[in-house]
Amino acid sequence: GAVVSQHPSWVICKSGTSVKIECRSLDFQATTMFWYRQFPKQSLMLMATSNEGSKATYEQGVEKDKFLINHASLTLSTLTVTSAHPEDSSFYICSASQGQRNSPLHFGNGTRLTVT
Amino acid sequence: QKEVEQNSGPLSVPEGAIASLNCTYSDRGSQSFFWYRQYSGKSPELIMFIYSNGDKEDGRFTAQLNKASQYVSLLIRDSQPSDSATYLCAVNKDTDKLIFGTGTRLQVFP
Repeated sequence: GAVVSQHPSWVICKSGTSVKIECRSLDFQATTMFWYRQFPKQSLMLMATSNEGSKATYEQGVEKDKFLINHASLTLSTLTVTSAHPEDSSFYICSASQGQRNSPLHFGNGTRLTVT
Repeated sequence: QKEVEQNSGPLSVPEGAIASLNCTYSDRGSQSFFWYRQYSGKSPELIMFIYSNGDKEDGRFTAQLNKASQYVSLLIRDSQPSDSATYLCAVNKDTDKLIFGTGTRLQVFP
């Protein structure tokens, strides 16, 4: 149980274009989803917390107008990287919570974004 | 001071040995502690979690928590080359939000 599906697994786009990444909880309802970014040989950095039906909460230093997050249902959250630039190239990983405090997070398989 | 600190490694151990991975955290209010394993290019997968002081064993893995010292560790017995990965320590308080350490790279050589 507790499977999180993330799509696409990799994407290459040109500078200035936008890319949408989907994160789905397949067998449970995720009240909260988290979006992380990981640069090579670095740890996961939390970008934002997404709650179903409300605005996402962004971490300090993360531009909310650049990284648009939508959590329209209890099983789907999307991250759109708008006007992507090469420095946005990274590994983006979503995770989902079943809503129980202190319970483990379940991660998607990640999306490798390369902006040329 | 970082919220969650780990030695980046690499930690090199021979096959069959015990690998000991350590993590310290700064917030005394932290309640839950997690160890994730991450292979290169992949997303993290949960190894163990621990909430109470003491040891928790699951197969070849043992998590140890000492809240007074703000210290959590992961022991891997009978290490295998397939255990070679980066091990991430993660901590949270009373929400679902996890704070990750930078990870320790483990290398198990035959």
